[in-house]
Amino acid sequence: GENVEQHPSTLSVQEGDSAVIKCTYSDSASNYFPWYKQELGKRPQLIIDIRSNVGEKKDQRIAVTLNKTAKHFSLHITETQPEDSAVYFCAAARMDSSYKLIFGSGTRLLVRP
Amino acid sequence: GAGVSQSPSNKVTEKGKDVELRCDPISGHTALYWYRQSLGQGLEFLIYFQGNSAPDKSGLPSDRFSAERTGGSVSTLTIQRTQQEDSAVYLCASSLMGTHQPQHFGDGTRLSIL
Repeated sequence: GENVEQHPSTLSVQEGDSAVIKCTYSDSASNYFPWYKQELGKRPQLIIDIRSNVGEKKDQRIAVTLNKTAKHFSLHITETQPEDSAVYFCAAARMDSSYKLIFGSGTRLLVRP
Repeated sequence: GAGVSQSPSNKVTEKGKDVELRCDPISGHTALYWYRQSLGQGLEFLIYFQGNSAPDKSGLPSDRFSAERTGGSVSTLTIQRTQQEDSAVYLCASSLMGTHQPQHFGDGTRLSIL
């Protein structure tokens, strides 16, 4: 069945450093890849998404890259700040049929001041 | 309202009881999704409603789980004869119709089965 693998499960970085989270998906028909940030006890918040017809998208300190051939995509956070500390989830979906998001297992990011 | 609203925020019940969880989507959003998040885990798809189309129930874990969406707006997720493994946070999301429309989540219902 459809599966999304996410690594690492935990990531600790010094404030100001970059953080990279990687995901691999199994369904080659997936064409939409959002990233969600979830703070403790809060709802998941969409931070960036990418469609399969582009290879990279950037929004201020956050960027996402997509390699369709390898079926993997990554989240890059530059100049990390303590408020970036949260759990980050990647997801994949077929937005022309089922629309359901298949989530990775999450990465707990800790930014040390 | 401004966002997806879910109620109750917390529910504690005894094993074997039935529970109903409610979701109010963002006004104008025709697509509605239910997900389950077990402690420390990712989100697991349960069911998806889109307009008047038949729902996608492929993620429901057993026949004890059911959901309905009346009038194309509010949705109710029902779990019958609850088991301890049903303990989780149940999250609802909604989106506009169409491809690549982002899903916006509610705060969830934390369900604890004693």
